[in-house]
Amino acid sequence: QTVVTQEPSFSVSPGGTVTLTCGLSSGSVSTSYYPSWYQQTPGQAPRTLIYSTNTRSSGVPDRFSGSILGNKAALTITGAQADDESDYYCMLYLGSGIRVFGGGTKLTVV
Amino acid sequence: EVQLVESGGGLVQPGGSLRLSCAASGFIFSSYWMSWVRQAPGKGLEWVANMKQDGSEKYYVDSAKGRFTISRDNAQNSLYLQMDSLRAEDTAVYYCARDRGYVATDFWGQGTLVTVSS
Repeated sequence: QTVVTQEPSFSVSPGGTVTLTCGLSSGSVSTSYYPSWYQQTPGQAPRTLIYSTNTRSSGVPDRFSGSILGNKAALTITGAQADDESDYYCMLYLGSGIRVFGGGTKLTVV
Repeated sequence: EVQLVESGGGLVQPGGSLRLSCAASGFIFSSYWMSWVRQAPGKGLEWVANMKQDGSEKYYVDSAKGRFTISRDNAQNSLYLQMDSLRAEDTAVYYCARDRGYVATDFWGQGTLVTVSS
C-alpha cells in the first residue's frame, strides 16, 4: 500500500522561510501525481493552498509556493507569519481515481 | 460566493446507516467533480470518495467500497453520501468539497460530524 509521507512537525521563525515536503513510501513524486497542499487550523475546515504542483488557489498569497524538489513535492512559505501556524497536508493523485493524503505537518512559528 | 453546507451527521450505532447531504451554491454545480473527505478526531485528512459531473465516474477509498455510495442531484445542486454498515472507525467530521478537475480539491464545506457508537 502506498503511503504519502510528510514531516510530522516543523518550526520556523517569524519572517523566515520554510519548506515542507511530501514524498512516497516507494518511488518519486513527480508532476504526474498532481500534488496539492492544504492548510488547516484547529477546529476549522481545510483551505486549499496549491494544486497541480504549483498553482495557487484563489486568494492565496504568493508567499506560498509549490514545486518538485528532488523526488518530493514541496511547499515553501516565505516570510512566515504567526497565522501560518497550522497543520499542512499534501495530497497526491495515484491514478485510477484514487487520491491519498499525507499524515500532515504541524508547523509552529516561533 | 461559493458555499458548501453539509448536513445529516449525528450519532448512529455500529452497523447502522446515515445519509449525508451537501447543498452547493455560488457556482455552477453541474460543472464540477465533487468529493467527500473525512477527518477522525485528532487525526489527519482522508479522501473518501469523488464523483464526476454527470455521475459516470465514481471512486472510493478501499475502506468505503461496498459500504458507502456517493451520488449527486445536479438539478438540486446537491451531493450525497449514503453510508451503510457503519463502524466505529468511520467516526469523523465529513467534509464536502468542490474538486479542481479530478485530481485536487479547491473549496471545502465546514463539515458534519458522524459518530458511530453504541
